[in-house]
Amino acid sequence: ELKVEQNPLFLSMQEGKNYTIYCNYSTTSDRLYWYRQDPGKSLESLFVLLSNGAVKQEGRLMASLDTKARLSTLHITAAVHDLSATYFCAAHEASGSRLTFGEGTQLTVNP
Amino acid sequence: ETGVTQTPRHLVMGMTNKKSLKCEQHLGHNAMYWYKQSAKKPLELMFVYSLEERVENNSVPSRFSPECPNSSHLFLHLHTLQPEDSALYLCASSQGDRVGKETQYFGPGTRLLVL
Repeated sequence: ELKVEQNPLFLSMQEGKNYTIYCNYSTTSDRLYWYRQDPGKSLESLFVLLSNGAVKQEGRLMASLDTKARLSTLHITAAVHDLSATYFCAAHEASGSRLTFGEGTQLTVNP
Repeated sequence: ETGVTQTPRHLVMGMTNKKSLKCEQHLGHNAMYWYKQSAKKPLELMFVYSLEERVENNSVPSRFSPECPNSSHLFLHLHTLQPEDSALYLCASSQGDRVGKETQYFGPGTRLLVL
């Protein structure tokens, strides 16, 4: 059974700082997603990573995938308050039909 | 309406009530999903439908009964729920030839409170 672990689960950072959220998964996955959820809102897809070494960037967020280490990272550059949200990674098990989510990282960016 | 919509957005029900959650997707997708999001727990997949056929039932208690009358609509019928069933119920849809593999688009969720 595929398990997905994120860390940290809670992250409080100052505006302008950089930080990385880590996502480890336990078995072979053929794609890795990052989602964002604002309080009281639904999940919004940010990135999908399909292959080893894949890197995608959108604004201050950059996601990468290392399939050998079964690790994805979401790097935040020069954080701004608008990035405050909960970020989920989710891995698709190569042999199955389901997406397994991590617990989420609750990010708070303070002025 | 665009994207994935869910109604109602909030629901309070007693343990003996029967209610239904509705999800509608306006994206032309061929797969739909129900997830449960509880506090401090990862999203839990409950059901998956592909072309109106259930392809995944993730050991969900029978007090939750899904229905997918067509590829645009998905229902979750609730009866004799327990307080621990209180959660945010999210619907999602996707398009592709491999269920679960393509990007899923989520609705806003129904916040359910069982008293």
